[in-house]
Amino acid sequence: QSAPAQPASVAGSPGQSVTVSCTATNGDIGSFTLVSWYQQHPGQAPKLLIFEGHKRPSGVSARFSGSKSGNTVSLTISGLQSDDEADYYCCTYAGSNTYFFGPGTRVTVL
Amino acid sequence: QVQLEQSGAELRKPGASVKVSCKASGYNFIRYSIIWVRQAPGQGLEWVGRISAYSGNTEYAQKFQGRFVMTTDASTTTAFLEAGSLRSDDTAVYYCAREELGYGDCVDWGQGTLVAVSS
Repeated sequence: QSAPAQPASVAGSPGQSVTVSCTATNGDIGSFTLVSWYQQHPGQAPKLLIFEGHKRPSGVSARFSGSKSGNTVSLTISGLQSDDEADYYCCTYAGSNTYFFGPGTRVTVL
Repeated sequence: QVQLEQSGAELRKPGASVKVSCKASGYNFIRYSIIWVRQAPGQGLEWVGRISAYSGNTEYAQKFQGRFVMTTDASTTTAFLEAGSLRSDDTAVYYCAREELGYGDCVDWGQGTLVAVSS
């Protein structure tokens, strides 16, 4: 396994939906169950948004959803809000009970 | 509620070592694993490793095998990350996090500890 790839940035207007992709660079993203997504605002610790590929922890808005298609997993943010402007990281299985973070995607609310 | 309280910022010279602590409270410490993550200034997150607070078993990302050592002390509900032979590119904020289900899901996070390596 190797670290996945993410787009450096995505942007959308308030109320729109945006999708952050996370793609295997060696052709195998691994088990969807072992995918998680994190949101990080500047100067803050990351926050878990999605675990087991598509599940949300208690308290996380239903506007955040996870999915998989082929060797790409995705995070979709619907009804974009100003507070959604942050960095988003996927975390995928790397083998031997270890994980990779993707390089991160900056989401900008226009 | 769950809290992970990390030790304060550290400044080290190249070649030195540093030990960061993560004091856990609000949950059964030995029931969950602790994951360590680091973030260099202006950079993304890096997965360092995971330690079972129950067994002490550890898994390290390949990049961190050898110079980094994770330990726990159940009597004080504290996890530790020690890094040796420090280099300037080890300068980063180091986070500890509690893994909830064992699927790399870091539910609760410490506030982070800045380790600066400079001559």
